[in-house]
Amino acid sequence: LAKTTQPISMDSYEGQEVNITCSHNNIATNDYITWYQQFPSQGPRFIIQGYKTKVTNEVASLFIPADRKSSTLSLPRVSLSDTAVYYCLVSYEDYKLSFGAGTTVTVRA
Amino acid sequence: ETGVTQTPRHLVMGMTNKKSLKCEQHLGHNAMYWYKQSAKKPLELMFVYSLEERVENNSVPSRFSPECPNSSHLFLHLHTLQPEDSALYLCASSQAVGGQYEQYFGPGTRLTVT
Repeated sequence: LAKTTQPISMDSYEGQEVNITCSHNNIATNDYITWYQQFPSQGPRFIIQGYKTKVTNEVASLFIPADRKSSTLSLPRVSLSDTAVYYCLVSYEDYKLSFGAGTTVTVRA
Repeated sequence: ETGVTQTPRHLVMGMTNKKSLKCEQHLGHNAMYWYKQSAKKPLELMFVYSLEERVENNSVPSRFSPECPNSSHLFLHLHTLQPEDSALYLCASSQAVGGQYEQYFGPGTRLTVT
């Protein structure tokens, strides 16, 4: 089972870019990398997913190097409402899903 | 209602009680999941159902018993729980089973075992 490791917490200020790196050293060929966001008293919410290189959507970018042993979620110009816990999920073999412990991002004014 | 709903939102039960958690998805998905989220621990996948058939059971104690009567409903039956089972129990659904499919989570049931 691919194990995911991510920082416990990160602090930032409004308007800054936040980059969270997740390590998944033994990722398998078929693994996808997915990031979720979770607010208190809510279930996680999908942010972005990728397999290799770079993926961008309206809220974030995901950078995956060629060896795919890590990935970096980039949140551009964060606001106070981006304060949340961010989870990296590595998936393989359909039913095998491994969430990281989560990174608590705190955005300050 | 839309999305994934869970009831009850909060539950307090004694160790000898029997209770059930309910999850319903209104998205037309074919896969449903139960997760356990304890304080300061990663999300733990408990059970996975695909088209009402259980396809994964991650070594979960038998005091947790899932049931999926149809593709829209998922239950987690609880009996003889331990205090360490206190956690947030999350239900999720996706178009099909697999990490490449976006999972939609419910708000969770906060369970306290006394």
